Amino acid sequence: GAVVSQHPSWVICKSGTSVKIECRSLDFQATTMFWYRQFPKQSLMLMATSNEGSKATYEQGVEKDKFLINHASLTLSTLTVTSAHPEDSSFYICSGEGREDLYNEQFFGPGTRLTVL
Amino acid sequence: GEDVEQSLFLSVREGDSSVINCTYTDSSSTYLYWYKQEPGAGLQLLTYIFSNMDMKQDQRLTVLLNKKDKHLSLRIADTQTGDSAIYFCAEMGRSGDYKLSFGAGTTVTVRA
Repeated sequence: GAVVSQHPSWVICKSGTSVKIECRSLDFQATTMFWYRQFPKQSLMLMATSNEGSKATYEQGVEKDKFLINHASLTLSTLTVTSAHPEDSSFYICSGEGREDLYNEQFFGPGTRLTVL
Repeated sequence: GEDVEQSLFLSVREGDSSVINCTYTDSSSTYLYWYKQEPGAGLQLLTYIFSNMDMKQDQRLTVLLNKKDKHLSLRIADTQTGDSAIYFCAEMGRSGDYKLSFGAGTTVTVRA
């Protein structure tokens, strides 16, 4: 299957700072990438859909000015958590939409653990 | 959005079969998926089934789909300790935007 990487795998930051998380599709081109947030022992909640070269589409309740998404190329999308606060601490997972066999599939990154002190 | 529901916990003895159940509400679902998540890791696709299929078998994994009842199950034969993980059921609707709706996940614990 196709590979998606995330960097960093974990980050600790002070309250009020901004953190950037990168999501890369390593061996395929992802026209669409998705960003999810996962709280401990809970499911993945879709935050936004990112299309290369256009603005991201945010899910209801997700602040677009706080979670800045940039999808500058077919292999890279970034999520910047601006002015992070402790309640932003979470596991952030990205996925890239690619084609496997005869259908399109989402390939998931390993996740980034963000801890805001 | 549409709901996907799963039982939260399953404990199974090593060597036995595990059955994880999932129900969904979107009758226009095109694909249904089972993902595995190990601690601190991302999601690994285990298997998927297209909505016009009733069953799919892949080595130790068997997926059953009852479209009328909107019920999906995953059976793991000869469960091993390495199968201990959280299993997520997910569905993709017919909207064409490839969005997935996930269940809350079933934590499977395999005991010796």
